[in-house]
Amino acid sequence: AQSVTQLDSHVSVSEGTPVLLRCNYSSSYSPSLFWYVQHPNKGLQLLLKYTSAATLVKGINGFEAEFKKSETSFHLTKPSAHMSDAAEYFCVVSAGGSQGNLIFGKGTKLSVKP
Amino acid sequence: KAGVTQTPRYLIKTRGQQVTLSCSPISGHRSVSWYQQTPGQGLQFLFEYFSETQRNKGNFPGRFSGRQFSNSRSEMNVSTLELGDSALYLCASSFSGDAWNEQFFGPGTRLTVL
Repeated sequence: AQSVTQLDSHVSVSEGTPVLLRCNYSSSYSPSLFWYVQHPNKGLQLLLKYTSAATLVKGINGFEAEFKKSETSFHLTKPSAHMSDAAEYFCVVSAGGSQGNLIFGKGTKLSVKP
Repeated sequence: KAGVTQTPRYLIKTRGQQVTLSCSPISGHRSVSWYQQTPGQGLQFLFEYFSETQRNKGNFPGRFSGRQFSNSRSEMNVSTLELGDSALYLCASSFSGDAWNEQFFGPGTRLTVL
């Protein structure tokens, strides 16, 4: 069965410093992995996705994630945090194959201090 | 292209009542999935419809049901409401619903059960 574990429920950074949100996954086969962001009172927006092409995936707003099969990780990074990055971030794995339903991690709330 | 729309945005019901939520997918998308988001359980998959057929189902009781119409619009129904059904209900659409397809989320319907 597919699952994801987000290692931090809350991360706080200062504006202009790097962001690292950690995610480990468990999958019985090559997974499709996603990062979604949810701003307060807004829907979920896809940041980036990995579907077995390049292991380093670039997304929107300067975010990127690296798929590491040996470590079963898919950590999300950004070189320099902006105040507008404050939101909740979800690491997500697809159930696989024709079952496109998404399995969400518990979420990491990112706070950005001025 | 218009995004995924959900109506109503907010609902207040009392225990024992039933409720119907509506979702209009992005034009051309044939797959509609429903998710429940609560502070305790996070985001959980309810079910997915493709071409008017329920294709996948999550682990929710039979009080939760849905349907999809020929124009791909979908409705979700919850009967005999319980306090624990208070949640944000998110709808997502994708072209085919397969694992590698991006899912686009609506803003959600916030249901409060009193």
